[in-house]
Amino acid sequence: QVQLQESGPGLVKPSGTLSLTCTVSGGSVSDTNWWTWVRQPPGKGLEWIGDIYHSGTTNYNPSLKTRVTISIDKSKNQFSLNLTSVTAADTAIYYCAREGRNRAFSWFDPWGQGILVTVSS
Amino acid sequence: DIHMTQSPSSLSASVGDRVTITCRASQSISNYLNWYQQTPGKAPKFLIYAASSLQSGVPSRFSGSGSGTEFTLTITSLQPEDFATYYCQQNYITPFTFGPGTKVDIK
Repeated sequence: QVQLQESGPGLVKPSGTLSLTCTVSGGSVSDTNWWTWVRQPPGKGLEWIGDIYHSGTTNYNPSLKTRVTISIDKSKNQFSLNLTSVTAADTAIYYCAREGRNRAFSWFDPWGQGILVTVSS
Repeated sequence: DIHMTQSPSSLSASVGDRVTITCRASQSISNYLNWYQQTPGKAPKFLIYAASSLQSGVPSRFSGSGSGTEFTLTITSLQPEDFATYYCQQNYITPFTFGPGTKVDIK
């Protein structure tokens, strides 16, 4: 079955750029799926960051839109998240997930295990 | 953005209890509503889509209902592995948004 794994630095300096990669196994990012990023500040709730289709079409949360870029690399079977100008408020567990779909309905499943990214000097 | 709320924010229950969690949307989302379960240190687990359709492999003691702006997640006969935080999420329109979560702990 499809599995996802996040990777990237666990510590980013304020004003720097957070860069994470999600590697997909047991399936292909070229499948007719959307691929998504969600984050969760420690002890808090879930926030949708954005998603990408295999064609490269993206949707972003307006609250992050000016700072976020999601891209896809079919040759590596990966998709990535870049978040610029980070502050302590961006400290969170970052999850990647596949968007499953049935007709017009969509959901996030499966999820990666998550990666904690701390913004600190 | 569509704002999601959940009640209660936490509850204490015993094994075997029936538990009901309510999720409300700030505007009608038809039945574009998902439920997830999250245990400490783990990623969320997908339970229900389209407000009431159970994901394959999810025990039948979980059920969902509702449409429009009000939805419920019911767990009949709570099991030890069900003690977790539950989140609702609307997929009616982007940005997709989650409720703040309901923590179910042991009485």
